[in-house]
Amino acid sequence: QVTLRESGPALVKPTQTLTLTCTFSGFSLSTSGMCVSWIRQPPGKALEWLALIDWDDDKYYSTSLKTRLTISKDTSKNQVVLTMTNMDPVDTATYYCARIHGVGAPYFDYWGQGTLVTVSS
Amino acid sequence: DIQMTQSPSSVSASVGDRVTITCRASQGISSWLAWYQQKPGKAPKLLIYAASSLQSGVPSRFSGSGSGTDFTLTISSLQPEDFATYYCQQANSFPLTFGQGTRLEIK
Repeated sequence: QVTLRESGPALVKPTQTLTLTCTFSGFSLSTSGMCVSWIRQPPGKALEWLALIDWDDDKYYSTSLKTRLTISKDTSKNQVVLTMTNMDPVDTATYYCARIHGVGAPYFDYWGQGTLVTVSS
Repeated sequence: DIQMTQSPSSVSASVGDRVTITCRASQGISSWLAWYQQKPGKAPKLLIYAASSLQSGVPSRFSGSGSGTDFTLTISSLQPEDFATYYCQQANSFPLTFGQGTRLEIK
């Protein structure tokens, strides 16, 4: 079955760089059409899409955050990594990774449980 | 970026009621729309994709309709487990965007 799990620090200081890893199973990111994406949700607020990487290593980013985000994949390890630079308290959120089965139809059909990242000094 | 606006922001209803939530896109997105359900402390769950296609395993009381800029999610007969927050998401173009959510509460 398809599973995804996010991992990374629970607490980061302002100005630091956040690195999150999504480890998945049940599918391969080398399969045509397959994608993994990151979405975040500040406490009590709405979902915000961050970035996507597809099987062909094409990458897409949020307009407002693209200067701070980098997404990459390690197909052999079934992992996708997101880095976000210059963290600020407003970046405090639960960060989810999710699968998209078909970059031509980018709907998130499987999600990880999420990881809460707090930005505080 | 395409802006997604949901209404209402919250709604109170009773078990057995029929509820409709709307989502409007700032520009035409054909049928490239999904609906998600999120319960407190949990990840969102895909309910509807391509505006009206029911995701596998989702009860048939959930239905979606619309195209272009205006979309609706309808729950035909509310069940206790349906009280949650619902989000729409456009899949027409990058960057992908979500609505602000509609909280469905028990009356």
